[in-house]
Amino acid sequence: EAGVTQFPSHSVIEKGQTVTLRCDPISGHDNLYWYRRVMGKEIKFLLHFVKESKQDESGMPNNRFLAERTGGTYSTLKVQPAELEDSGVYFCASSQEGPGPGSGYTFGSGTRLTVV
Amino acid sequence: AQSVTQLDSHVSVSEGTPVLLRCNYSSSYSPSLFWYVQHPNKGLQLLLKYTSAATLVKGINGFEAEFKKSETSFHLTKPSAHMSDAAEYFCVVTPTYSSASKIIFGSGTRLSIRP
Repeated sequence: EAGVTQFPSHSVIEKGQTVTLRCDPISGHDNLYWYRRVMGKEIKFLLHFVKESKQDESGMPNNRFLAERTGGTYSTLKVQPAELEDSGVYFCASSQEGPGPGSGYTFGSGTRLTVV
Repeated sequence: AQSVTQLDSHVSVSEGTPVLLRCNYSSSYSPSLFWYVQHPNKGLQLLLKYTSAATLVKGINGFEAEFKKSETSFHLTKPSAHMSDAAEYFCVVTPTYSSASKIIFGSGTRLSIRP
């Protein structure tokens, strides 16, 4: 089966611009998660969708970040306006089971965002 | 609350020698523990998991890890390193009971293999 697909793989934007990251989960996976790793630090949770609903968005850093999952299929994560500290790698994961131990997660290869 | 500490940010070993990547955890509840690996330009791949069954867990590519409750450790080992093992490794913890969606990552250990 196809894995979790993220694009773009890399994005370089100027401070103040807008960037939209996309994640296509494994077909049939209701759960979709966004994580990010900034400045070589820990990978941190951003939010969790169950189908098209936001189950948990407690990790979203501020209101410059907007995530959507229209129709419960692919998801987008928009950063507007981007700031320097948003640079990092954004990972998406999907799972078929409910949340809990991460063994059901499949991660994408990530989008490397650089804000200059 | 859960947390995980990877004690080494970078480990370098010679090909054919043993690998040891260290991980200590803190958990208020019975934890589930995992090791993930990320090769350059690839996604995060599950290596192995511990979910309160056998304390010695075998994973893919010859890796294994032992859950030691008394030491709150879950170190990753491999008897003989291969060049293809060069990657970044993440120790992960989550409560076994939990319906929470978050999993907690360690800061990662970059493994280099010398020819």
